[in-house]
Amino acid sequence: GENVEQHPSTLSVQEGDSAVIKCTYSDSASNYFPWYKQELGKRPQLIIDIRSNVGEKKDQRIAVTLNKTAKHFSLHITETQPEDSAVYFCAASMSSSASKIIFGSGTRLSIRP
Amino acid sequence: NAGVTQTPKFQVLKTGQSMTLQCAQDMNHEYMSWYRQDPGMGLRLIHYSVGAGITDQGEVPNGYNVSRSTTEDFPLRLLSAAPSQTSVYFCASTSRTDYSWGAEQYFGPGTRLTVT
Repeated sequence: GENVEQHPSTLSVQEGDSAVIKCTYSDSASNYFPWYKQELGKRPQLIIDIRSNVGEKKDQRIAVTLNKTAKHFSLHITETQPEDSAVYFCAASMSSSASKIIFGSGTRLSIRP
Repeated sequence: NAGVTQTPKFQVLKTGQSMTLQCAQDMNHEYMSWYRQDPGMGLRLIHYSVGAGITDQGEVPNGYNVSRSTTEDFPLRLLSAAPSQTSVYFCASTSRTDYSWGAEQYFGPGTRLTVT
């Protein structure tokens, strides 16, 4: 079955700097890669996703890149702000089993003032 | 719309007790899932359903049962609670408009379960 690995587990960056979180997946049939943000005590919420037919997607300060050959994808946050502090999860799923989404172990991002 | 709702918010069980965590959604979503969240281990899929009457196992199904008699409801049953089942449980639902791709999952607020 699918396995998603995520690194680093914790990340601390200076406010205004960029943050990068990386994930790898094992099943080449996976074609949908969402990223979720979870604030303390809250539920996870989707912040961006990418399909396997594109290599990059941007939404304001957030971007995701996908390398299908290497089976890895990354989340990039630029100009970080205090409200970016949270736990971020990557995930992967296949079209044949879209309800079966496998998550990475999470990255706790802290923004230093 | 209330979205995805879960009850209870908190629960304490003794080892060996059974209970059902409730999950409901009012968005007419086809797909529903249950996850458990433990520190440092992310969200692990317990069971999922692609429609009423259809369920399947996820990554960590042992000790849990599910059923999906209606589109709206997807209860999770703990048969005989164990301390290892102490966790935060999230229910989620998904609607797909394009069957070539996955889609956003909407999570419930979670149930914090402690087994002593």
